[in-house]
Amino acid sequence: DADVTQTPRNRITKTGKRIMLECSQTKGHDRMYWYRQDPGLGLRLIYYSFDVKDINKGEISDGYSVSRQAQAKFSLSLESAIPNQTALYFCATSDGRVHGYTFGSGTRLTVV
Amino acid sequence: SQKIEQNSEALNIQEGKTATLTCNYTNYSPAYLQWYRQDPGRGPVFLLLIRENEKEKRKERLKVTFDTTLKQSLFHITASQPADSATYLCALGDTGNQFYFGTGTSLTVIP
Repeated sequence: DADVTQTPRNRITKTGKRIMLECSQTKGHDRMYWYRQDPGLGLRLIYYSFDVKDINKGEISDGYSVSRQAQAKFSLSLESAIPNQTALYFCATSDGRVHGYTFGSGTRLTVV
Repeated sequence: SQKIEQNSEALNIQEGKTATLTCNYTNYSPAYLQWYRQDPGRGPVFLLLIRENEKEKRKERLKVTFDTTLKQSLFHITASQPADSATYLCALGDTGNQFYFGTGTSLTVIP
C-alpha cells in the first residue's frame, strides 16, 4: 500500500458543487499539506497542518477548507467549485525534521 | 514575495552525458533547498536536501550545489540514463515547515 493515499484519483464536477478530496497516510508523520499544481505555476500551498488541532492557511486558501480528522487523515474541500479550481491536487506529509516531503499520487480535478 | 526560477525550456541530452539543471531564486534567503523528481501523472519524489551552510551534497549519480551569494542551486545527474527522464523540481524553505516550489525542468535523456 502507498504511504500517502489520495482519493479519488480523478474527478469531474460541475460548477457550484461541493467536493471533498481525501488523504490518508501510514508514515506516522504529524505534518500534512495540500498543494495544487497548474502548468507553468508549479506547486502552490493551499493549507497545512502540524497536528490534529493545528490548521494553517497557505498561499492560496481562498475557496478551500480543510479538516484534520486524525493524525493520519487530512481532507480538502471545495465549498462551491469553480472552473479555475481545475488542477492536479497533491497531499504531502513530513516528519518536521527537514527531510523531504512524501507526496501522494494526486487527484486530477476538473470543474466544468 | 519569493520567486523561484528553473530552466523553462526542456533539456535534452545524450545518454551517458551529465545533465545540469538550474534553480535561481530572488527575494528570499532559504535555509534549505530540496530537489524532487516528478514523473507524468505522479507525485513528486524527494531526492536531496542541502542546507545553506553546505556547498555541495552528493547521492550516487546526483550532485547538488547551493550558492547563497549567487542565489542559485545546480543539480547534476552524471552518466545519465533514459530512466532519468522526468521533470525535476527545486523547493526552498526556511524553517522546514513550508517549502516553496519552482515550476520544474523537463529532462529527456536520449538513448
